[in-house]
Amino acid sequence: DIQLTQSPSTLSASVGDRVTITCRASQSVSSWLAWYQQKPGKAPKLLIYKASSLETGVPSRFSGSGSGTEFTLTISSLQPDDFATYYCQQYGDYTTFGQGTKLEIK
Amino acid sequence: QLQQSGPGVVRPSQTLSLTCAISGDSVSNNEVAWNWIRQSPSRGLEWLGRTYYRSSWTTDYAVSVKTRITIYPDTSKNQFALHLNFVTPEDTAVYYCVREEVTKRFDYWGQGTLVTVSS
Repeated sequence: DIQLTQSPSTLSASVGDRVTITCRASQSVSSWLAWYQQKPGKAPKLLIYKASSLETGVPSRFSGSGSGTEFTLTISSLQPDDFATYYCQQYGDYTTFGQGTKLEIK
Repeated sequence: QLQQSGPGVVRPSQTLSLTCAISGDSVSNNEVAWNWIRQSPSRGLEWLGRTYYRSSWTTDYAVSVKTRITIYPDTSKNQFALHLNFVTPEDTAVYYCVREEVTKRFDYWGQGTLVTVSS
């Protein structure tokens, strides 16, 4: 299985901040990487697919980049609704998920 | 839209059974796959398997559950199902059914079902 490691595990930030979450794969997944947002008691919501493509309806403050083994999710200006847990997912070889990054209010 | 149903409690060594009813799409759509994913504090998000139709039905399963799992479509009811045999408390999790479309976007998720394995 391809392992995904996210960093940091927890991130404290304020409204208006620019934040970046990193996802590293144990082997190349090309651009087959997605990002999800999850709020308590809800299913994950797709934000970014194919490393950098924004899902329809997702605000443009979310962006993704990277290829191969290193990827980033950037939120350009945090909004109150963005405080949640974020997961990366690879689908180059079946699918696996990162362990999550909890984005907290500072 | 995906609507899950099934029991919330299963006894150890018994079979966990969940169904996922599809609306607005067809289980036989040859441009999508239908997945089961679970989430627990100890294992995180874990893909269990999928079924999909191209010219015939295909299923793929995660190695971790391959000997215990069956995923199958029910075309008459436009739904798909998960059966997980010989469950233990480690199978306690929130289970999700998820649509995977042709570009591999996992774009629609069921509401999730918390299944607790307990006697």
